[in-house]
Amino acid sequence: SQTIHQWPATLVQPVGSPLSLECTVEGTSNPNLYWYRQAAGRGLQLLFYSVGIGQISSEVPQNLSASRPQDRQFILSSKKLLLSDSGFYLCAWRVGTGNTEAFFGQGTRLTVV
Amino acid sequence: GENVEQHPSTLSVQEGDSAVIKCTYSDSASNYFPWYKQELGKRPQLIIDIRSNVGEKKDQRIAVTLNKTAKHFSLHITETQPEDSAVYFCAANDGAGSYQLTFGKGTKLSVIP
Repeated sequence: SQTIHQWPATLVQPVGSPLSLECTVEGTSNPNLYWYRQAAGRGLQLLFYSVGIGQISSEVPQNLSASRPQDRQFILSSKKLLLSDSGFYLCAWRVGTGNTEAFFGQGTRLTVV
Repeated sequence: GENVEQHPSTLSVQEGDSAVIKCTYSDSASNYFPWYKQELGKRPQLIIDIRSNVGEKKDQRIAVTLNKTAKHFSLHITETQPEDSAVYFCAANDGAGSYQLTFGKGTKLSVIP
């Protein structure tokens, strides 16, 4: 069966520090991978998605970047965190396009102080 | 791109009553409409979905209806229980064959015992 791992679960980082969140998927090949951010009281905002190794699409201009060095690995990074980067970050995967379910990782609660 | 509006943002019901959450979408090419439940601090999980070739789908106490002409879909929970308390998100894909899934801002449902 397929599983998705996301870590760390919680993170407290000072303003200006770098960030690296990692997500890996097991049990499937060539998944579509996604990073969402959920700010307090708000919905799920799509940040990045990837349909293959090295292929990244960005949905909103921001202080973050994403990379996909391997088929089932998706990384969210920042060189210098801002206070506004605080939130709940969720990695997700889907197979194919259109009408398929998205499966979410456990999420990372990031607090920038 | 797709725009999904969700109402209400908060909903309180007495245990045993029904709850209805409504969503509208903008892209007439969308054909997949999932609903996710997110308990506090946890990942969103799919509870039911509907595709545009059907108008209604039921799964025990949960049902979803879709009106493609009006571009809206609704989640119905009957005989609510305290464990139904959570944030519910609707979503729509950005047209057939799209990699993207756009979410509403969520509805916080509280079921009062």
